[in-house]
Amino acid sequence: SAVISQKPSRDICQRGTSLTIQCQVDSQVTMMFWYRQQPGQSLTLIATANQGSEATYESGFVIDKFPISRPNLTFSTLTVSNLSPEDSSIYLCSVVFGTSYNEQFFGPGTRLTVL
Amino acid sequence: AQKVTQAQTEISVVEKEDVTLDCVYETRDTTYYLFWYKQPPSGELVFLIRRNSFDEQNEISGRYSWNFQKSTSSFNFTITASQVVDSAVYFCALRSYNTDKLIFGTGTRLQVFP
Repeated sequence: SAVISQKPSRDICQRGTSLTIQCQVDSQVTMMFWYRQQPGQSLTLIATANQGSEATYESGFVIDKFPISRPNLTFSTLTVSNLSPEDSSIYLCSVVFGTSYNEQFFGPGTRLTVL
Repeated sequence: AQKVTQAQTEISVVEKEDVTLDCVYETRDTTYYLFWYKQPPSGELVFLIRRNSFDEQNEISGRYSWNFQKSTSSFNFTITASQVVDSAVYFCALRSYNTDKLIFGTGTRLQVFP
């Protein structure tokens, strides 16, 4: 089975700085997504990472705050900009292999704490 | 509007007990997909099962079984003879046929004590 990795696994950042999270898959995927899981909460979709074009953001999430890149079929980055303590969450990438109707598989997550 | 409700916030059982996690969903679509994911303390989300709306056959995988009832819009998950390693947060999720977006329930935290 494919391996989905995320870097960093966790980080502690200062208010006002930015953090870039990487998601790498060891085989080509059809789709890539970024989710946020706030402490003790469920998962919320931030955006769909589109290869070679701008990401598609969900309501309440904007590109200036969460810029996303996806230069190829196996890699994507999510940046969380101008950090505040409210951004403290787990950020997870997920991928779909093959047909877009297949299940999403998730990376191990990046646990971000903002001081 | 689409919605997933997991009314049980937290369940505690003793090892070897059977436990059922409830999931009720709302959708106007006739074609949709339902999922269960497990999130152990490590934080990783583990895919357990996908069920298509047109397939109401129940499924069993080892100690896990799923009961899909379209008439009550429910997709419940039963763990038989629970084990400590089953301790995790379990999420039910819904996806419409024409979107990639997963709608997650709020999760049920299962604690299995030895």
